[in-house]
Amino acid sequence: GQQVMQIPQYQHVQEGEDFTTYCNSSTTLSNIQWYKQRPGGHPVFLIQLVKSGEVKKQKRLTFQFGEAKKNSSLHITATQTTDVGTYFCAGRKTTDSWGKLQFGAGTQVVVTP
Amino acid sequence: DVKVTQSSRYLVKRTGEKVFLECVQDMDHENMFWYRQDPGLGLRLIYFSYDVKMKEKGDIPEGYSVSREKKERFSLILESASTNQTSMYLCASSLGVLPTEAFFGQGTRLTVV
Repeated sequence: GQQVMQIPQYQHVQEGEDFTTYCNSSTTLSNIQWYKQRPGGHPVFLIQLVKSGEVKKQKRLTFQFGEAKKNSSLHITATQTTDVGTYFCAGRKTTDSWGKLQFGAGTQVVVTP
Repeated sequence: DVKVTQSSRYLVKRTGEKVFLECVQDMDHENMFWYRQDPGLGLRLIYFSYDVKMKEKGDIPEGYSVSREKKERFSLILESASTNQTSMYLCASSLGVLPTEAFFGQGTRLTVV
């Protein structure tokens, strides 16, 4: 089964609203990455978080890595139609070999104008 | 710009056929990955390679093998294609041993009939 859980699976948002997607692991992660996949496209890297409690911002996107390094969140403010797509988190468990990046199932975001 | 190129965008094969999916990257990356993407399951790691001729199993290696004879090329082989291997296959590459961003190819949608 999925080792990195991502919620919600679907998110309908009105343009201009804020929303948050969450990523949870039962085990400690060494790092967390976030990717965005536009409809019909391939995943594109957004950001990586490594430190406990780390917060990074990219314009309207705010990424957080939990203090226990078991969860992460992506918060988007003032959603725009360009935010449409599926957002994936991906993390490596500290007990896994370095290459085993576990992806969540993704949050599919639909924006209503 | 990093480019990861997959040999086919769409592929239709018959049950029992041996299928080769090819992936080439042009940025001298050490690491290459094969994922399959299915709705609701996110990206699941099949195999990855951290050097020429070196490989490691991912989460779902059954029914697949890989080959990496040259640094830039990573092939995924379906020994005897089955209908449950109908999926989107994504190749990715990344630089070095420490976790860095992965660059994805455009994907190959394989249908096994």
